Amino acid sequence: GESVGLHLPTLSVQEGDNSIINCAYSNSASDYFIWYKQESGKGPQFIIDIRSNMDKRQGQRVTVLLNKTVKHLSLQIAATQPGDSAVYFCAENIKGSSNTGKLIFGQGTTLQVKP
Amino acid sequence: SAVISQKPSRDICQRGTSLTIQCQVDSQVTMMFWYRQQPGQSLTLIATANQGSEATYESGFVIDKFPISRPNLTFSTLTVSNMSPEDSSIYLCSVGNDKRGRETQYFGPGTRLLVL
Repeated sequence: GESVGLHLPTLSVQEGDNSIINCAYSNSASDYFIWYKQESGKGPQFIIDIRSNMDKRQGQRVTVLLNKTVKHLSLQIAATQPGDSAVYFCAENIKGSSNTGKLIFGQGTTLQVKP
Repeated sequence: SAVISQKPSRDICQRGTSLTIQCQVDSQVTMMFWYRQQPGQSLTLIATANQGSEATYESGFVIDKFPISRPNLTFSTLTVSNMSPEDSSIYLCSVGNDKRGRETQYFGPGTRLLVL
């Protein structure tokens, strides 16, 4: 069935190191993916997105990689800072009826940054 | 990105009662959605709020339990009816401008509901 899952529920990294958060998706027809960051007590915040016609997209300190062959998505955070501590969700656009789309969210990975 | 507000931000309710949550956007948007996030879990789409017509519900969610209104392009409400402790969750609205879902959705801050 349709599912988006994350490999690691919790990731602990040292401040200054790079973080890699992974996500597997099962719908090969999905054409748009988003990473969100959710801090405690807040709604999800957009980080970066990527369309299926791309393999890589870079933002400020973040990079998203898309491997359509193995249906895998990753978020790389460079020089991780304490403010990066949060839960990270990947989301996949699933086509619905009447040419509409909806987002299906992965389980989430908690990123803990150690000072 | 749009600025999205939700009211109330949190509430504690008694079982059997109903709560209406409001979502207000500072600009007109094409799409508005309602999600549920149970404690420690991911987000699950409840329904798409359609302007001027009935909402489109996802499997497992029904209109009698979660009636939704969307009177215009900047406002929507979600009602959680006949609440039970299992309805304790964060309820989030999100907005987007692409019907096909191929553009970013932005989220409100959420409404934290505890049902006793």
